[in-house]
Amino acid sequence: AQTVTQSQPEMSVQEAETVTLSCTYDTSESDYYLFWYKQPPSRQMILVIRQEAYKQQNATENRFSVNFQKAAKSFSLKISDSQLGDAAMYFCAYSLLRGDYKLSFGAGTTVTVRA
Amino acid sequence: EPEVTQTPSHQVTQMGQEVILRCVPISNHLYFYWYRQILGQKVEFLVSFYNNEISEKSEIFDDQFSVERPDGSNFTLKIRSTKLEDSAMYFCASSAPDQPQHFGDGTRLSIL
Repeated sequence: AQTVTQSQPEMSVQEAETVTLSCTYDTSESDYYLFWYKQPPSRQMILVIRQEAYKQQNATENRFSVNFQKAAKSFSLKISDSQLGDAAMYFCAYSLLRGDYKLSFGAGTTVTVRA
Repeated sequence: EPEVTQTPSHQVTQMGQEVILRCVPISNHLYFYWYRQILGQKVEFLVSFYNNEISEKSEIFDDQFSVERPDGSNFTLKIRSTKLEDSAMYFCASSAPDQPQHFGDGTRLSIL
């Protein structure tokens, strides 16, 4: 079974600063996807970024970027130039590259942005 | 942009009653999912559905739960005899092959 671990329950960042959220996972597979989802207080689940394990290049979406270390099974999310609207719970998730693509989630990290 | 739609947004039900949560996935998607999130906890996979049958289910998805795609557009989750511990946010999601899952806004289920 695949497990996803987020070891930081809470992180706080000053507006306009950078924060990095950590995620590690355990799998015996070589092909898979990794994701970061954002859940604001409204409790919607919003996809932030996706990384395919077969790609060496780290994914980037505007102010969001990842540091994917496949050998270390590490997948961290960096939020640059933090904005008040970034305040949310962030979940790291994993799915296989085949089959039914079910997501396995970490426990989440709550990000607070200080004005 | 197409969306996954869930109804109702909030359902309050007496313990022991049956409840049906409804979802309309994105029309060209082939994979459908239900997830559960107990307040303050992580999102947990319940079941996936493909080609009109369950492709995988978790240990949470016991005989009290069932899913159905009755008319080619709706995707429902039924809980036959609700328990207090079924109180949670239930998310429906859908995806096309090799594409990320799109989530609905969730149904908050409260069991009294």
